[in-house]
Amino acid sequence: AQTVTQSQPEMSVQEAETVTLSCTYDTSENNYYLFWYKQPPSRQMILVIRQEAYKQQNATENRFSVNFQKAAKSFSLKISDSQLGDTAMYFCLSGGSYIPTFGRGTSLIVHP
Amino acid sequence: DTAVSQTPKYLVTQMGNDKSIKCEQNLGHDTMYWYKQDSKKFLKIMFSYNNKELIINETVPNRFSPKSPDKAHLNLHINSLELGDSAVYFCASSQAQRGQYFGPGTRLTVT
Repeated sequence: AQTVTQSQPEMSVQEAETVTLSCTYDTSENNYYLFWYKQPPSRQMILVIRQEAYKQQNATENRFSVNFQKAAKSFSLKISDSQLGDTAMYFCLSGGSYIPTFGRGTSLIVHP
Repeated sequence: DTAVSQTPKYLVTQMGNDKSIKCEQNLGHDTMYWYKQDSKKFLKIMFSYNNKELIINETVPNRFSPKSPDKAHLNLHINSLELGDSAVYFCASSQAQRGQYFGPGTRLTVT
């Protein structure tokens, strides 16, 4: 079975600053994928970024980037230049041929 | 055009009733999913279909029955609704491992 742990239930950051959300996972698969999703108050689930486990290069999407440490089974999300619209729940997802598994989420509040 | 749509978005019903939630995706994806999000925001997979074939069936009461008439549709039927079934139900679709795309969710309230 896969497990995904997000150890920070809540985080806050000032607008324009940088924040890092942590995620650790445990899987016995060799070929797997990791994702971060954002869920704003509208409750829509939005795919933020995707990382393939066989790629060493960290994924980047505009202000969002990941720090993927395969040996440590760590997959953190860095949000640069935080904006008010980044206020949301953030979920880490581990997927592959096994059952997709979400972490319990981190609630991020961006303060003006 | 909406990529993954669900109907209805809100559903209020009484205990013991039977209800269905419909999901459609126009992305051409092969795989579709149903998730339940509880009051603490925890997302847990319930079912997954690949090309109309059931591939994931998590520990879900058999009052829940998914049906996939074609690969663009995955419906969820719930019999004899209970208070504990109150939650937000999300449909999602994916192609290979490019990431899942979610519908807007259906908030089910059982009274």
